[in-house]
Amino acid sequence: EIVLTQSPGTLSLSPGERATLSCRASQSVSSSYLAWYQQKPGQAPRLLIYGASSRATGIPDRFSGSGSGTDFTLTISRLEPEDFAVYYCQQYGSSGLTFGGGTKVEIK
Amino acid sequence: EVQLVESGGGVVQPGGSLRLSCAASGFTFDDYAMHWVRQAPGKGLEWVSLISGDGGSTYYADSVKGRFTISRDNSKNSLYLQMNSLRTEDTALYYCAKDSSSWYGGFDYWGQGTLVTVSS
Repeated sequence: EIVLTQSPGTLSLSPGERATLSCRASQSVSSSYLAWYQQKPGQAPRLLIYGASSRATGIPDRFSGSGSGTDFTLTISRLEPEDFAVYYCQQYGSSGLTFGGGTKVEIK
Repeated sequence: EVQLVESGGGVVQPGGSLRLSCAASGFTFDDYAMHWVRQAPGKGLEWVSLISGDGGSTYYADSVKGRFTISRDNSKNSLYLQMNSLRTEDTALYYCAKDSSSWYGGFDYWGQGTLVTVSS
């Protein structure tokens, strides 16, 4: 099973700042099969990025994804108040699908 | 508008069974793979199972393999999860999620979840 390790666990930032979230895989992941989700309290997750770098429908362009192999990054260029949430990466591979443990982006 | 509505959650004793359902609307159901994902209280997301659009292929997390069975009825636009031999660690909010493709491409729509509590 591929383990996804997200860091940091918590990111404390102010609105307008740039957020950089990391997702590291224990084995190489196909870029086609790496996604990012946002989850706010009491809500279902929302797909942000698929294929490592493609934005899902309706996702603002301040969200971007990058990376390949074992290292992937979600960047939020300028944090808006509604962006404070928990973010998860997810991969699909021959041994199944797994989520990372999540990064909480909180207001500083 | 795509809608996914889960039902069937509740309180069950360890060793018991439960069947979850997910009613889908707003898209051509049999064109897409579907998933179950769970989230224990205060914890992260855990993928549970995947079924292809025609129901012919299924995939399970190791933690539920041999105990849970995913199925779908395309004539009813419905997804199911039969859960047997339930354990306390199966306690979670269970989401059904639509894949953006016929197998895996990211989960583009999610239901609001149904809560399963396994407790004596």
